[in-house]
Amino acid sequence: KAGVTQTPRYLIKTRGQQVTLSCSPISGHRSVSWYQQTPGQGLQFLFEYFSETQRNKGNFPGRFSGRQFSNSRSEMNVSTLELGDSALYLCASSLLRRDGYEQYFGPGTRLTVT
Amino acid sequence: DQQVKQNSPSLSVQEGRISILNCDYTNSMFDYFLWYKKYPAEGPTFLISISSIKDKNEDGRFTVFLNKSAKHLSLHIVPSQPGDSAVYFCAASLGSARQLTFGSGTQLTVLP
Repeated sequence: KAGVTQTPRYLIKTRGQQVTLSCSPISGHRSVSWYQQTPGQGLQFLFEYFSETQRNKGNFPGRFSGRQFSNSRSEMNVSTLELGDSALYLCASSLLRRDGYEQYFGPGTRLTVT
Repeated sequence: DQQVKQNSPSLSVQEGRISILNCDYTNSMFDYFLWYKKYPAEGPTFLISISSIKDKNEDGRFTVFLNKSAKHLSLHIVPSQPGDSAVYFCAASLGSARQLTFGSGTQLTVLP
């Protein structure tokens, strides 16, 4: 099976602009989660979508939003970009095992805000 | 408030020896724990997981131990190989939630 794919891999934007990142989960996985990784804050949960509905949301401002399509592909959007939004954005799709969910990550999108 | 902590930012081990990476958590409601390995500019790679109903899980060279009373888990890698050099993250989740809380990571360096 193909793994989680994310596009684009690298992106440079200017403060105040908006950006949309895309994620395609592993075939058959219906849950997509998004995480932000920065040197200062580490890996932090943004939100999770399951069957086109947002199920969980982390502690991020409303400028961060997302959606999921009927084919389970997901997009996240960041509006009014700030310098602090520069980060590696990771998408993960989930597989339910007997005891819990294992999440499999894509390669990430490196966003640089100048 | 950091709910998952990895207090050692780095660890160096000789090739062939055991690597032990540690993780502590504060939220007693966590019931599923995972370890990931990460190389720079790549996404984390899933290694091994353990449910709170168990105290040990093995997969090849990797073994995870869970001590619920101490709210502590550890990852043992035996024998360590140079290719194991990476940042290791522990993560925890609650029940059926698909939201992971990560530790800050430990950089493992395996010396040849």
